[in-house]
Amino acid sequence: NAGVTQTPKFQVLKTGQSMTLQCAQDMNHEYMSWYRQDPGMGLRLIHYSVGAGITDQGEVPNGYNVSRSTTEDFPLRLLSAAPSQTSVYFCASSYSSFSGYGYTFGSGTRLTVV
Amino acid sequence: GQQLNQSPQSMFIQEGEDVSMNCTSSSIFNTWLWYKQDPGEGPVLLIALYKAGELTSNGRLTAQFGITRKDSFLNISASIPSDVGIYFCAGQLSGGSNYKLTFGKGTLLTVNP
Repeated sequence: NAGVTQTPKFQVLKTGQSMTLQCAQDMNHEYMSWYRQDPGMGLRLIHYSVGAGITDQGEVPNGYNVSRSTTEDFPLRLLSAAPSQTSVYFCASSYSSFSGYGYTFGSGTRLTVV
Repeated sequence: GQQLNQSPQSMFIQEGEDVSMNCTSSSIFNTWLWYKQDPGEGPVLLIALYKAGELTSNGRLTAQFGITRKDSFLNISASIPSDVGIYFCAGQLSGGSNYKLTFGKGTLLTVNP
């Protein structure tokens, strides 16, 4: 089925380790973004991209890197994992530059940093 | 930071009851969206609103775009157990980036059979 695919679904990291959360969409969407979801905090924007080669910071970018070499993929890299990065991470995409049409979300990656 | 106030934070209701939740802001929004997140899944779009005063239904769900463009309401009628989940409001700020949505913190709905 077409949509946004996130891998892995679950991950446990030790403090200081690095890893990449993968996100791929097959809908030819230009806009992609990463959110983290924490209890009581809702969805907070980490980084976003409006097209291949173009990325920008969101509300909580520290400790994360992104790149967008293709339209389909938008990986999120944790450089040196910290317990504060324990969260559920969602990737989202949109076919239009007008966000009012809404985003399509992946099913999430549940990350625990110990 | 967050510019949307979503309430209530959580609701516990009996099956068959009606539910109301809302989002308010001090800022004007061009678009209001309502999402539902099932346990262990990503949010899914329920309803989109594009004009002040607009009232839109999707089955048992009805949402309205406030006249002042600073609020929106979601009503669920005759709740059923599968309505359980987190409901998020989201909006595109007037004068803000076309790409970005601002999200509320969510309303956790529990339905007792």
